Amino acid sequence: DAGVIQSPRHEVTEMGQEVTLRCKPISGHNSLFWYRQTMMRGLELLIYFNNNVPIDDSGMPEDRFSAKMPNASFSTLKIQPSEPRDSAVYFCASSLSGDPGNEQFFGPGTRLTVL
Amino acid sequence: AQTVTQSQPEMSVQEAETVTLSCTYDTSENNYYLFWYKQPPSRQMILVIRQEAYKQQNATENRFSVNFQKAAKSFSLKISDSQLGDTAMYFCAFMKVGGYQKVTFGTGTKLQVIP
Repeated sequence: DAGVIQSPRHEVTEMGQEVTLRCKPISGHNSLFWYRQTMMRGLELLIYFNNNVPIDDSGMPEDRFSAKMPNASFSTLKIQPSEPRDSAVYFCASSLSGDPGNEQFFGPGTRLTVL
Repeated sequence: AQTVTQSQPEMSVQEAETVTLSCTYDTSENNYYLFWYKQPPSRQMILVIRQEAYKQQNATENRFSVNFQKAAKSFSLKISDSQLGDTAMYFCAFMKVGGYQKVTFGTGTKLQVIP
């Protein structure tokens, strides 16, 4: 299995631009999580899906952030417009719910720099 | 809501020595899992070890073991025979059973193994 796949690995953009981060979860997993990691705030859960349905988006910082999961094998996190304070590493993780104790498997992350 | 506290932002240990990382948590749940994740400089999050709350026996994975004290809500990680490859950020994490595999992470402990 290729594991959780994220693209791009690195993204540099200018303030005001739209940014789209992509994630392909592990095949068969039905829960998907988006995290943001910064030195100041640590690892923050932004939103998570179960069976492609958003369950909790209370961690999404503001309306500039949106996430979708159109099918079981693909999810996007979009920031529009981007701001310098959005600079962080964004992780996607997936797991198989229904079997207690299953851990989350993380992707390699996308390092976003907003200038 | 659950909280996970790691009170040691940074630690160091000599190669081949033993080190213990601390973690405490707060929850009203009775059925849950606890994890330790490792994040090396490559930033890939990797599961180190997991503990089921209803099991009294402490989990062990090769050089990694935990000291799980349910009444005290404490979950420390012991690394024996430390190796240079153990240099990483270590995150303690909590997951309640039946919660879509949502995980609450601590703020992490940065461990440096010194040659």
